[in-house]
Amino acid sequence: GNSVTQMEGPVTLSEEAFLTINCTYTATGYPSLFWYVQYPGEGLQLLLKATKADDKGSNKGFEATYRKETTSFHLEKGSVQVSDSAVYFCALSGGGSGGSNYKLTFGKGTLLTVNP
Amino acid sequence: EPEVTQTPSHQVTQMGQEVILRCVPISNHLYFYWYRQILGQKVEFLVSFYNNEISEKSEIFDDQFSVERPDGSNFTLKIRSTKLEDSAMYFCASSEWAYNEQFFGPGTRLTVL
Repeated sequence: GNSVTQMEGPVTLSEEAFLTINCTYTATGYPSLFWYVQYPGEGLQLLLKATKADDKGSNKGFEATYRKETTSFHLEKGSVQVSDSAVYFCALSGGGSGGSNYKLTFGKGTLLTVNP
Repeated sequence: EPEVTQTPSHQVTQMGQEVILRCVPISNHLYFYWYRQILGQKVEFLVSFYNNEISEKSEIFDDQFSVERPDGSNFTLKIRSTKLEDSAMYFCASSEWAYNEQFFGPGTRLTVL
C-alpha cells in the first residue's frame, strides 16, 4: 500500500535560516503529493501540492518539487519566520492499483520551531 | 471563506460509553472524511463518505464506528463503545469532488477515561 516517510523532528531554526524537510513516498502509479501545515490549536491546512512528476508546488515562500525518480517531495523555504512555527505533514493520495484512492496517507509530521 | 466546523472541540467520556462527533462540511462539497491522530502518531484515514454511503474505510473503522449524514449539513462519527485506545484527535474533512483538495476542520479531541 501507499506510505509516506518524513524527516523526524523536531527542527529548531533561527529566523531567516534555510529550511528543508525531507519526504519520500511509496506508491504505485502516479500519486498526487501534498504538504499540510498545522498551526498550534488549529486544523490541517493545505500548504502546497503537486499532481504530476516535475511539478513544483509553492505557497507563502515554501516550495516542493515532485521527483518521481527519487520518489521525493522535499519541502524548502529560503528564509523562515517565527510565524512558520508549526507541524508540517507530507501526504499523498491516489497512485494505487484502483478503487477509491483519494484518501490521504500522511507522514508522521515534523515540528518546526523558529526562534527570533 | 467557507470552512469545516467540528463540535465539540474536546470530549471526555468514560470507557464503554457512546460518543458522537459532529462536523459541518463546506456546503457545496460532496465527499466527506474522518481521520484521527493519536498523540505523537500519524494522521490516519478512517472513512470516506459519498452519496449517503461509505465509499472506503480503513481497517481501524470496525463495527464500533459508524458515520451518518442525518440532514443536509451535518456529518457525524459515532463510536458505540469507546475504548481507551480511541483517545485521539479526530479530524473531519470535505472536498468538492473525489480528487480535489480536502479541507480540514479544527478537530475534536476525544479523551476516554
